[in-house]
Amino acid sequence: GAGVSQSPSNKVTEKGKDVELRCDPISGHTALYWYRQSLGQGLEFLIYFQGNSAPDKSGLPSDRFSAERTGGSVSTLTIQRTQQEDSAVYLCASSLVTFEAFFGQGTRLTVV
Amino acid sequence: QKEVEQDPGPLSVPEGAIVSLNCTYSNSAFQYFMWYRQYSRKGPELLMYTYSSGNKEDGRFTAQVDKSSKYISLFIRDSQPSDSATYLCAFCSNDYKLSFGAGTTVTVRA
Repeated sequence: GAGVSQSPSNKVTEKGKDVELRCDPISGHTALYWYRQSLGQGLEFLIYFQGNSAPDKSGLPSDRFSAERTGGSVSTLTIQRTQQEDSAVYLCASSLVTFEAFFGQGTRLTVV
Repeated sequence: QKEVEQDPGPLSVPEGAIVSLNCTYSNSAFQYFMWYRQYSRKGPELLMYTYSSGNKEDGRFTAQVDKSSKYISLFIRDSQPSDSATYLCAFCSNDYKLSFGAGTTVTVRA
């Protein structure tokens, strides 16, 4: 596709349920990032994938969060046993050049 | 002390005014200095980047970096209503992590 695609655009879930967020990066981009953006806050780094290297998971806030990237392309961010503080916009980005990240529109997650 | 501090705003200016946006940082390892623009309900998009102290111009936009003071600025000349957005400063060292400011929301009134 022409850009980074994320689905769903919006997700409302009940506290305690699991959610999966999907990211389709720009074709050929080897790097993929997940960030979280809360109201009034900057983007918080979650996880980074680069090619076949082990991902940098240092930003994941708890063991309820996990992410996979299959075949060097599509990525899924999974949040288990969601909590209200997980409510945020989850942004995915891909890049060829480190600082030139192309972002998707994000998934707006609301935990009720 | 936060690694990145950005003037919080919001800013509201009349069309044609100059907009000035500022960030400070504490990490001396930062080598790339960027400004992203984020429209409402959209993802951020890279507006400008630079890796040296001084000014870089691109049309109506000027990015300024002062490494000695750990200070970066973005100036928008002849601002237009279409410039209304949230502007995020961002930084990168030798690794791949981008560190972002919290953003400044700008409204340009017609």
